Amino acid sequence: GAVVSQHPSRVICKSGTSVKIECRSLDFQATTMFWYRQFPKQSLMLMATSNEGSKATYEQGVEKDKFLINHASLTLSTLTVTSAHPEDSSFYICSAQTLGTDNGEQYFGPGTRLTVT
Amino acid sequence: GQNIDQPTEMTATEGAIVQINCTYQTSGFNGLFWYQQHAGEAPTFLSYNVLDGLEEKGRFSSFLSRSKGYSYLLLKELQMKDSASYLCAATDSNYQLIWGAGTKLIIKP
Repeated sequence: GAVVSQHPSRVICKSGTSVKIECRSLDFQATTMFWYRQFPKQSLMLMATSNEGSKATYEQGVEKDKFLINHASLTLSTLTVTSAHPEDSSFYICSAQTLGTDNGEQYFGPGTRLTVT
Repeated sequence: GQNIDQPTEMTATEGAIVQINCTYQTSGFNGLFWYQQHAGEAPTFLSYNVLDGLEEKGRFSSFLSRSKGYSYLLLKELQMKDSASYLCAATDSNYQLIWGAGTKLIIKP
């Protein structure tokens, strides 16, 4: 149980375009979803925390107008990278917490590798 | 402030034992996770400790000392496939995960 999917797994886009990444909890309801970014050979960097039906909470230094997060249902959150630039090329990973989690465990999606040319 | 410290990189030999340490300082503490992450993949859950002591799960064991703010992950009978990054993460009083930078473990034949 507790499977999280992400789509697409890889995407290449041109500079200036926007890209949407979907994160779905397949067999559970996720009241809270997290979006991380990971550059090569670096650790996970939390970008934002999103709760179903409310605005996302962004970490310091993350531009909320550039990284649009929508968490419209208990099983789906989306991250849209707007006006992407080559420096946005990274591995984007989402995770989800189950409703009523008793320890804070996060279940991770497989990640999306974004390349901006 | 909140802080997690773990070594950046460790090297070990196939078949041997390795211990990866993690120290933490958080605003409140509820428990400590260890995740494994292979290059280019998402993290996968290894263990969760909330009480002091050692929890064994096959070749992997995890230890926690709440009074010392200290944990370690012990890997026995190392295999080449254990080459990965190992992430330590503590949950604070709000069950927010505070992540360490990860320890890259290199296994040599």
